[in-house]
Amino acid sequence: QQQVRQSPQSLTVWEGETAILNCSYENSAFDYFPWYQQFPGEGPALLISILSVSDKKEDGRFTIFFNKREKKLSLHIADSQPGDSATYFCAASEVNTNTGKLTFGDGTVLTVKP
Amino acid sequence: EAAVTQSPRSKVAVTGGKVTLSCHQTNNHDYMYWYRQDTGHGLRLIHYSYVADSTEKGDIPDGYKASRPSQENFSLILELASLSQTAVYFCASSEGLGGRNYAEQFFGPGTRLTVL
Repeated sequence: QQQVRQSPQSLTVWEGETAILNCSYENSAFDYFPWYQQFPGEGPALLISILSVSDKKEDGRFTIFFNKREKKLSLHIADSQPGDSATYFCAASEVNTNTGKLTFGDGTVLTVKP
Repeated sequence: EAAVTQSPRSKVAVTGGKVTLSCHQTNNHDYMYWYRQDTGHGLRLIHYSYVADSTEKGDIPDGYKASRPSQENFSLILELASLSQTAVYFCASSEGLGGRNYAEQFFGPGTRLTVL
């Protein structure tokens, strides 16, 4: 049973549009949700994160919306740029285990067309 | 900025052979992690360590051993490599979790392992 699910698998938007990437999870104990961005041939890099006590987190063009009751969250990328083309991973962690272990989804491949 | 390096960057191994992947970090981080990534999928945790000379099993430890001889170095060992272990392997490090109990993980560039 996959603990973290992402949709869609791939997404294409035009430059300037808002891209919406979705994530859902099974484990109610997850309470830390980072999103990682990965370019081909590189390791993932932290983009933005949220704790379950919040329902929204903004950082520039990137916003996470979080719904604890439905165990869903989404990453909105406003004014998408071709340089945003990458794979985006939603991850989750239980902070009270004190291990830092992350469980990753399978990712969404975003393509931004100029 | 966090610096995590991995060696080799790519390797071809034969089935049944021994493979050692190395990771080095210069950030004075306490925690280190090994993940594998299969094509089209996310990362899965193999082993991790929060202090030198100690390692912990992750979610998919079977067929892998880990070694943390110092704070800076963390190795992943495949004693008997198998075809199913063909993947990209990523090492990551993070500072001590502290009172927050979570911390950003900094990833290396990955090692592409092909087992023939």
